[in-house]
Amino acid sequence: QQQVKQSPQSLIVQKGGISIINCAYENTAFDYFPWYQQFPGKGPALLIAIRPDVSEKKEGRFTISFNKSAKQFSLHIMDSQPGDSATYFCAAGGYNKLIFGAGTRLAVHP
Amino acid sequence: EAGVAQSPRYKIIEKRQSVAFWCNPISGHATLYWYQQILGQGPKLLIQFQNNGVVDDSQLPKDRFSAERLKGVDSTLKIQPAKLEDSAVYLCASSLEGPKEFFGPGTRLTVL
Repeated sequence: QQQVKQSPQSLIVQKGGISIINCAYENTAFDYFPWYQQFPGKGPALLIAIRPDVSEKKEGRFTISFNKSAKQFSLHIMDSQPGDSATYFCAAGGYNKLIFGAGTRLAVHP
Repeated sequence: EAGVAQSPRYKIIEKRQSVAFWCNPISGHATLYWYQQILGQGPKLLIQFQNNGVVDDSQLPKDRFSAERLKGVDSTLKIQPAKLEDSAVYLCASSLEGPKEFFGPGTRLTVL
């Protein structure tokens, strides 16, 4: 019940396109769902996060969609840019603890 | 506000040697985490401290890994003796409250 499954493993998008990454969790006690962005040689950086009391959260070009009944959430990157090329990790957590997905390597081609 | 600091950034050792990593969390953050990130995978929690007490060390290989957080601030993670499969990036993270974690740059360990 502690797994977080992330897909796809890798994604190629053209500049200006929409990048979509999906995650599924099992533990219904989880109440915090962040997305992290990691560039090579750097630690993961918090990008955006959502609590299960809302179905969507938007910050700039980044949107989290959350489906509590399906236990799924996704990250949408609108107008994808080459600078968005990185590895993205979803995570799910409860009090003071996160379980991470395996990551999605995104490449945005100009 | 300064971020999470880690040192060294890179370390190369031979198997069966010992190694230690240091972490200085964001000032005031009571919770500190050590993660292992193997190439191509997500971070895996090794140990979690709340102030200077251990909250969760269920995934720490205690026969070779140890960690301490003296005075509830800095922390060190030690591996003794190292194995080839310990090659990974070791990430330190801290949080002020809840699971909103901020990560350091990591230490890349290569075991030959």
